[in-house]
Amino acid sequence: DAGITQSPRHKVTETGTPVTLRCHQTENHRYMYWYRQDPGHGLRLIHYSYGVKDTDKGEVSDGYSVSRSKTEDFLLTLESATSSQTSVYFCAISDATLAGSYEQYFGPGTRLTVT
Amino acid sequence: AQSVTQLDSHVSVSEGTPVLLRCNYSSSYSPSLFWYVQHPNKGLQLLLKYTSAATLVKGINGFEAEFKKSETSFHLTKPSAHMSDAAEYFCVVLGSGGSYIPTFGRGTSLIVHP
Repeated sequence: DAGITQSPRHKVTETGTPVTLRCHQTENHRYMYWYRQDPGHGLRLIHYSYGVKDTDKGEVSDGYSVSRSKTEDFLLTLESATSSQTSVYFCAISDATLAGSYEQYFGPGTRLTVT
Repeated sequence: AQSVTQLDSHVSVSEGTPVLLRCNYSSSYSPSLFWYVQHPNKGLQLLLKYTSAATLVKGINGFEAEFKKSETSFHLTKPSAHMSDAAEYFCVVLGSGGSYIPTFGRGTSLIVHP
């Protein structure tokens, strides 16, 4: 298994509070991604990073920010959590393989509940 | 531009019978294609991948997929379903040309009856 951990694994927070989720990898992969998974929507990309301090928005980035100060860590912050951000959040990593593909490897997920 | 369509949201089979999960894609470039599996309350696991080598790709747990360019399909098959195959399956397309942002299908839930 790829070395990807997410913390916390479960969190319950109140509306309006800030929340930070952490993704940590030991694979030295360049690319890191944050997704959210909701019933009926599949996986939706929130933000991604293509290197230290290089990040960009995905399709559902409103209300979220990210930071990557080290190759191994990618942080997702909800500045002021809302109930609509209740979801399961997955981190993924990728890099070019010898075959030239960029398959992703996923972390175990963080279940976030905003009350 | 790239997109992927999983043609069935749910597939129900009996244990020991064949499995077919259908996926169609579109891509402006020669794509890489992937199937991922997600068991309940788990992360996604790479099942198999196509990257312009052999068109018939073998994956883990007896799964296979065939890349058919003329049909723009990448269907996932298994000769004999096992109870442990019950999970959500995602088809994913990634265009070539240095792209590293994949597009996910909505997922197919495989139900296996004893």
